Amino acid sequence: AQTVTQSQPEMSVQEAETVTLSCTYDTSESNYYLFWYKQPPSRQMILVIRQEAYKQQNATENRFSVNFQKAAKSFSLKISDSQLGDTAMYFCAFMKHEGSNYKLTFGKGTLLTVNP
Amino acid sequence: EPEVTQTPSHQVTQMGQEVILRCVPISNHLYFYWYRQILGQKVEFLVSFYNNEISEKSEIFDDQFSVERPDGSNFTLKIRSTKLEDSAMYFCASREKQGDGYTFGSGTRLTVV
Repeated sequence: AQTVTQSQPEMSVQEAETVTLSCTYDTSESNYYLFWYKQPPSRQMILVIRQEAYKQQNATENRFSVNFQKAAKSFSLKISDSQLGDTAMYFCAFMKHEGSNYKLTFGKGTLLTVNP
Repeated sequence: EPEVTQTPSHQVTQMGQEVILRCVPISNHLYFYWYRQILGQKVEFLVSFYNNEISEKSEIFDDQFSVERPDGSNFTLKIRSTKLEDSAMYFCASREKQGDGYTFGSGTRLTVV
C-alpha cells in the first residue's frame, strides 16, 4: 500500500515571501501521479498542481512549483510571493496508475498560515 | 468553470437514521468518488465508481454504505443506519480521464447526534 507523509503539521510565512512544504511517499510503482490540494477554511478541496511520475520536468502553475525527486520519493511544493489567500491546509496526494480506480492517497496535511 | 455540486452542505441526523448525500459530478466526467474527512484528520478514500458500478471500495465502506447513479447525473452516497463515528465531511469528486486530477465538490458536513 502507498503511504504519503507530510512531516510539517504547521508552517507560517510572511506575505510576499517564499515557503516550501515537504512531502514524501512510499511506493513500489513506477508509474503514478502526484498532486497538491489546498483546503481553505471553507473546506473545499482545490487542486493546486499535478505531476506525472514519468516526467522529469517539475510542474509549475503561476506562483506554485514542485520539486519532484523520484529516486528520493520526494515531492515538495514551493509557493512564491505568498499571499494572504494562500492560508489553508495543504495536502499532498498520490494516485496509482491502475485499472479504472485511480484513487488518491492523502497525507495528513500541512496547515500554512500567511501573515501580513 | 465546471463544478461538482454537493447537497446538502450540512446535515444533522440522529444515530440510526438513514442519510443520502447527493452529488452532481461534472457532466463529461466518467469516474466518480466519495471521500470523507473526520475533523482534524486526513482525507480518506471510501469508494470509486465507473461504468455504473463500484470499481473499488475501502474497508470503511461496509454494508451500511451504498452508492448509486440513478439517472446519469446524480451520484448519491447512502448510509443506512448512521453511527456517531460517521460524523465527518463527505466529499464527492469526479474526473474525466486517466491521470487527471479530481474536481472535488464543496463537501457535505454530516453530524450524527
